[in-house]
Amino acid sequence: NAGVMQNPRHLVRRRGQEARLRCSPMKGHSHVYWYRQLPEEGLKFMVYLQKENIIDESGMPKERFSAEFPKEGPSILRIQQVVRGDSAAYFCASSPPGNYGYTFGSGTRLTVV
Amino acid sequence: GDSVTQMEGPVTLSEEAFLTINCTYTATGYPSLFWYVQYPGEGLQLLLKATKADDKGSNKGFEATYRKETTSFHLEKGSVQVSDSAVYFCALSDGSSNTGKLIFGQGTTLQVKP
Repeated sequence: NAGVMQNPRHLVRRRGQEARLRCSPMKGHSHVYWYRQLPEEGLKFMVYLQKENIIDESGMPKERFSAEFPKEGPSILRIQQVVRGDSAAYFCASSPPGNYGYTFGSGTRLTVV
Repeated sequence: GDSVTQMEGPVTLSEEAFLTINCTYTATGYPSLFWYVQYPGEGLQLLLKATKADDKGSNKGFEATYRKETTSFHLEKGSVQVSDSAVYFCALSDGSSNTGKLIFGQGTTLQVKP
């Protein structure tokens, strides 16, 4: 049973480009969470999704950021028109319903140049 | 809102020394408490957890007790190894949202020297 798979592991984008980060949850996990880790800081919650539904996006910046978790395929975190301040590690976690037993992926490290 | 405060790092210890990493929290309701560990270049791994007051979580020689009276969840290990070098995060479940969201402390870097 593979763990939470995130790709790419490293992503370099120029300012103004779009970044797409993918997360495939563990088999049987229907809940996906995205967190952002800025340098030297802890993880900050961004968004919580279930299949085809955004449940809590209270941590998402109001502009340029969006997330989806379609019926088929991975969850996608999309950042449009990236800026240097978006450089961070983005972690996805999945869990079964009603369980705080997250499993984290290895993260995508986004660098905006 | 709910928050977690960890002791500042880095913490540098010699092998076989005793480890304590302090964690205190503020929360409404009755959160669950967690310790996660992050090795260089990797994601977070759940180290241990406690779901109610006076519970003790333990794993791999690490332990932490949920102290409601002092709102603390300090991480301890009796004898650290070089392989324990990592960043340790204390976290709590956000009881106000009931969505499984976790609130993390800023992390404490542990360096163990041989």
